[in-house]
Amino acid sequence: QKEVEQDPGPLSVPEGAIVSLNCTYSNSAFQYFMWYRQYSRKGPELLMYTYSSGNKEDGRFTAQVDKSSKYISLFIRDSQPSDSATYLCAMRNTGRRALTFGSGTRLQVQP
Amino acid sequence: DGGITQSPKYLFRKEGQNVTLSCEQNLNHDAMYWYRQDPGQGLRLIYYSQIVNDFQKGDIAEGYSVSREKKESFPLTVTSAQKNPTAFYLCASKAEKASGSYEQYFGPGTRLTVT
Repeated sequence: QKEVEQDPGPLSVPEGAIVSLNCTYSNSAFQYFMWYRQYSRKGPELLMYTYSSGNKEDGRFTAQVDKSSKYISLFIRDSQPSDSATYLCAMRNTGRRALTFGSGTRLQVQP
Repeated sequence: DGGITQSPKYLFRKEGQNVTLSCEQNLNHDAMYWYRQDPGQGLRLIYYSQIVNDFQKGDIAEGYSVSREKKESFPLTVTSAQKNPTAFYLCASKAEKASGSYEQYFGPGTRLTVT
């Protein structure tokens, strides 16, 4: 079983829809949680960064962390065709220097 | 214009040849990383370096080697011992914050094809 599980999709939604992307994890020591967006054939770019449990909002994006359920989410409001990309969740504990990634969810927003 | 550069963007090699992928950053970050990305598998850590002249193996280091002679540069060599080298290779560097948190930034990647 992978440490971080993420549904690969593809997830197809109409423009303007609310998108929910999720990851589950098994390592209860994870404390830092991130979401990256990756366009085709490009490097990932950091979207959201959250420490421990709670919510964080940035424009149309909201990240949620529920450590009791080992579950993190990224919500995208008013989705745009330019949001079409692969979304990767990533996380780490305080001791490990590198990130553990999910396999990514491919999102397609239809105009 | 600050950032991480990787070259070349596409690289083709014959089986049995070693190949070196370049990664340069001008962000003044101490830590640098190499990941490999395969379809449906996310990113897997190959090597990382916290400071100059020091580096550690990641989860899939076999068949790879690195050096860190300068803060700005962290080249990755894919050796002929790597069984399945065709992949998308991503270099990253880390910005550590005073709070203890950090953010990891990625380069544009090099797509290596070995035939």
